[in-house]
Amino acid sequence: GESVGLHLPTLSVQEGDNSIINCAYSNSASDYFIWYKQESGKGPQFIIDIRSNMDKRQGQRVTVLLNKTVKHLSLQIAATQPGDSAVYFCAEKTGTGRRALTFGSGTRLQVQP
Amino acid sequence: DARVTQTPRHKVTEMGQEVTMRCQPILGHNTVFWYRQTMMQGLELLAYFRNRAPLDDSGMPKDRFSAEMPDATLATLKIQPSEPRDSAVYFCASGLVIGQGSYEQYFGPGTRLTVT
Repeated sequence: GESVGLHLPTLSVQEGDNSIINCAYSNSASDYFIWYKQESGKGPQFIIDIRSNMDKRQGQRVTVLLNKTVKHLSLQIAATQPGDSAVYFCAEKTGTGRRALTFGSGTRLQVQP
Repeated sequence: DARVTQTPRHKVTEMGQEVTMRCQPILGHNTVFWYRQTMMQGLELLAYFRNRAPLDDSGMPKDRFSAEMPDATLATLKIQPSEPRDSAVYFCASGLVIGQGSYEQYFGPGTRLTVT
């Protein structure tokens, strides 16, 4: 798929460093969050999710942190690799009745070898 | 390796023509979503279905867009008549939602539509 937005915020890191990608959400009723990765020419791919009753969840090389007080979500990638270069989206689900996700505008991660 | 498939991958058409995009969700998934992605608007939800029933199509221009699920293995998104502003990448995604379980969505590769 297309990369999103001429004005995407971009995070540039050196290979091997840790990356932190941030996302602010506005709806305090959101109860579920997902991080997606989108590589050039492909559809978004699931990375990790977290429910609002948690504040941290870890996966393989990735950690998601949720701060409900300030409505902030972050994705930490350990030992960033060139293959991590992509656009990263956070998505939220709001309420119990609606099952659809609302996606943020994305952050481009560039990993310098 | 189960995955969502979409056809066609690329479509170039002239303004006013009808466009039909097709999606085969992952077998066993009970939700299907259509998204549109553009440089300016990012990823927008157009419609979604659960157990083949449309639950929300509020993001879709009703006068020209229609989405259907003729059966559990096929979802379609139709634009008639198409306009240049419809040029975008259209993604289909499917998921399995049971109770309060995961809402993970599996995305297809997208259909890149260009309307001239």
